[in-house]
Amino acid sequence: DAKTTQPPSMDCAEGRAANLPCNHSTISGNEYVYWYRQIHSQGPQYIIHGLKNNETNEMASLIITEDRKSSTLILPHATLRDTAVYYCIVQYQKVTFGTGTKLQVIP
Amino acid sequence: GAVVSQHPSRVICKSGTSVKIECRSLDFQATTMFWYRQFPKKSLMLMATSNEGSKATYEQGVEKDKFLINHASLTLSTLTVTSAHPEDSSFYICSANEQAFGTKYNEQFFGPGTRLTVL
Repeated sequence: DAKTTQPPSMDCAEGRAANLPCNHSTISGNEYVYWYRQIHSQGPQYIIHGLKNNETNEMASLIITEDRKSSTLILPHATLRDTAVYYCIVQYQKVTFGTGTKLQVIP
Repeated sequence: GAVVSQHPSRVICKSGTSVKIECRSLDFQATTMFWYRQFPKKSLMLMATSNEGSKATYEQGVEKDKFLINHASLTLSTLTVTSAHPEDSSFYICSANEQAFGTKYNEQFFGPGTRLTVL
């Protein structure tokens, strides 16, 4: 079973920051938080991951709470191409997907 | 990043035939590969974990005789849908695990998927 809870959908205006929340209250000490996204009819694309520290790369930032029970993915300047389903996953070995958040970026 | 390919990208077959889908890690060795299926507007469902040189581990409810998995080398895993029926029509996605050197986590890379349509 998926170990994460995400809102089913969100809208974001183009050019604004998109903040996607995720709850993972049962995360264990050796599990990382991963974010992937899936654009229609494609394989999932890796975005970012972290263990307990905040992380940033060229695509996004990941903010993990101190107790590690939740995290937020931040897309700093959303574009129309960021419209996708975003999956938050806690992972050690195999990856189990939840239902994800469908992000719609609006012009 | 590492690349995973799948072949074919799209296949249409008649009911009762078998279909083989290949998953390859192109620039890294993958001791573990995973197979998922995805129905329209649904999330990915893990079907099985494929380990090189050993039998696959299937998730509960997945018929191992229906979905044959072979992981013959560190860069290739195959999924064969035997005696396919229309209800097997789905989007099949593989992923490959690469142990990141010097870390405790496993980076996972996904293929582009294979769209199977059974008539």
